[in-house]
Amino acid sequence: AQTVTQSQPEMSVQEAETVTLSCTYDTSENNYYLFWYKQPPSRQMILVIRQEAYKQQNATENRFSVNFQKAAKSFSLKISDSQLGDTAMYFCAFMKHDQGAQKLVFGQGTRLTINP
Amino acid sequence: DTGVSQNPRHKITKRGQNVTFRCDPISEHNRLYWYRQTLGQGPEFLTYFQNEAQLEKSRLLSDRFSAERPKGSFSTLEIQRTEQGDSAMYLCASSLGQGTQPQHFGDGTRLSIL
Repeated sequence: AQTVTQSQPEMSVQEAETVTLSCTYDTSENNYYLFWYKQPPSRQMILVIRQEAYKQQNATENRFSVNFQKAAKSFSLKISDSQLGDTAMYFCAFMKHDQGAQKLVFGQGTRLTINP
Repeated sequence: DTGVSQNPRHKITKRGQNVTFRCDPISEHNRLYWYRQTLGQGPEFLTYFQNEAQLEKSRLLSDRFSAERPKGSFSTLEIQRTEQGDSAMYLCASSLGQGTQPQHFGDGTRLSIL
């Protein structure tokens, strides 16, 4: 079974600073996908960024980028030039490359607060 | 694209009652997922539909839980004889069936058991 661990329950930074959220995972699979989801207070979960395990290049989406270290089973999220609207719970998630259910396995989450 | 819609947003009920939640996925999405999220935790997978077929169920889905997707469109999740431990946010997500497409989540239904 796969497990995802986020070791930082809470983080807080000043607006415009850069922040890095950590995520490690455990799997025996070779082909899989990793995701970061954002869940703002009382709002729906939205996809921030995704990474295919077979790709060596780290994914980037505007101010969001990842540092994917496959051998170390590490998948951190960097948010540059943080904004007040980035305040949310952030979940790291794993998905097997599978023709079946493609269910997401989530970490416990990191509550990120961006202070003005 | 109106997004994934879940009803009701909140449900408060007494222990032992039955409750039913509804999820309307994005219209062209043939895959539908239910997850449960307890306070301070990440969502946990409950069950998955491809069209009307329920293809996988988690061990978390006890025999008091039943999910249906009768016409391959909307889905319902019913909990019978609710217990205190059923209090959680129930999330629905949908995705396209080709390749690995991202899952789009609804706002969830928050269940509180008195």
